[in-house]
Amino acid sequence: KNEVEQSPQNLTAQEGEFITINCSYSVGISALHWLQQHPGGGIVSLFMLSSGKKKHGRLIATINIQEKHSSLHITASHPRDSAVYICAVSQGAQKLVFGQGTRLTINP
Amino acid sequence: DVKVTQSSRYLVKRTGEKVFLECVQDMDHENMFWYRQDPGLGLRLIYFSYDVKMKEKGDIPEGYSVSREKKERFSLILESASTNQTSMYLCASNQGSARSFSGNTIYFGEGSWLTVV
Repeated sequence: KNEVEQSPQNLTAQEGEFITINCSYSVGISALHWLQQHPGGGIVSLFMLSSGKKKHGRLIATINIQEKHSSLHITASHPRDSAVYICAVSQGAQKLVFGQGTRLTINP
Repeated sequence: DVKVTQSSRYLVKRTGEKVFLECVQDMDHENMFWYRQDPGLGLRLIYFSYDVKMKEKGDIPEGYSVSREKKERFSLILESASTNQTSMYLCASNQGSARSFSGNTIYFGEGSWLTVV
């Protein structure tokens, strides 16, 4: 079993829909990261959080430390949100453990 | 904005060649990382460095070496490229005190697609 599990693996939705991507982890962490990877490879850090909730534009990330679970929400989704979203947890000392990613496709 | 620049986006090399992948960051970050990304396997850490001339093995260091002579530059070296090293390589960096990763946003380069034939 992977230490970081994301669901769903693939998600297709229509423009404007509310999107939720989930991340569960089984290890102790110091922080959780949500990353976005567009076709072509580059990865952008969206959020880093260790408790509570963060919001940036149409993106919201939440984490429940007790339940070892985090969600990434996208409101009013748009085709430009189409990307792979990766959850990663840090365990201190330069160790990042990555989930397998969720491929999101938003159709116009 | 923080910028992590990888020198080559696409490379094709022959088996047995020595390959250098260069990465430069412009934010004076202590920590730098090299990952490879393969379908179905996700991102895997090859090596990281938390200071000039300091390096530590990641999860898959075999067949690779690294060099960090200056704080802003972290090089990944494939001493003798093999076909199973065909992959996408990502460099990353973040601010951090020695040996402490947590609490700092990580910044990635655009990736280098390496094909070994």
